[in-house]
Amino acid sequence: DGGITQSPKYLFRKEGQNVTLSCEQNLNHDAMYWYRQDPGQGLRLIYYSQIVNDFQKGDIAEGYSVSREKKESFPLTVTSAQKNPTAFYLCASRPPEGAQFFGPGTRLTVL
Amino acid sequence: AQSVTQLDSQVPVFEEAPVELRCNYSSSVSVYLFWYVQYPNQGLQLLLKYLSGSTLVKGINGFEAEFNKSQTSFHLRKPSVHISDTAEYFCAVSQNSGNTPLVFGKGTRLSVIA
Repeated sequence: DGGITQSPKYLFRKEGQNVTLSCEQNLNHDAMYWYRQDPGQGLRLIYYSQIVNDFQKGDIAEGYSVSREKKESFPLTVTSAQKNPTAFYLCASRPPEGAQFFGPGTRLTVL
Repeated sequence: AQSVTQLDSQVPVFEEAPVELRCNYSSSVSVYLFWYVQYPNQGLQLLLKYLSGSTLVKGINGFEAEFNKSQTSFHLRKPSVHISDTAEYFCAVSQNSGNTPLVFGKGTRLSVIA
C-alpha cells in the first residue's frame, strides 16, 4: 500500500536532548513537509522540501533541523534549542498540482 | 502570501441535521482549496479539493463545498450529519502552481449530538 509512515507514534524527551522524528513515503512525491500542531492553533509549517538535497524554512523553523538525502525520507530533528517542543508533529507529501497526503503523526512530550 | 480564517472554532449540531462549516481565505494569486478531517490522535484525511473547473465540489462521506471567488469563501456543507462526523475540520489554501505548502486555518471542532 502506498502511503506515509511516521515513527515513533509517541516519543518522550528529557530537556536538553535532541530527538529525531522519522518520516518515510512510498508515493514517489518530490515534495515533503513538516507541520507542528498545538491545540487551537491549527497546523504550522516547520520545514519543507520540494526536491532531494534542498529544503526551506517554514514559519516556525527555529529549534528544528531537517535533511533530505533520499526522495523517500525527510527526518526532522528537534534540538535542545526548541524551547517548547511538546506537540503533535505531522509529516506530509504532495504530488504536483494536488493535495497533501499526511502521515499518522508523532506525539512528542518533554519530561 | 495566503491566509485562512475558519470563522467558528466549535460547531455543535444534532444528529441528522444539516451543517455548514465556514472558511474564508485571502490571497493575491489564484488558489487551490482543500478541506481535511482529523480524528483524535490521527493524521489529516482529505475530504475534498478545488483545483479548477466546477465551483461545487463533492467529497467523501457526503460532504460538499462551494468555491466563491467573489466572496473568497469555501464553505463546507453536509445535509445530514452522523455521530461519526464528530471530528476536527481544517480548511487549507495554496497558490495554484507547483508544490508550495498548504496554509491551514485553525480548525473547527464539529460535535454531533445524539
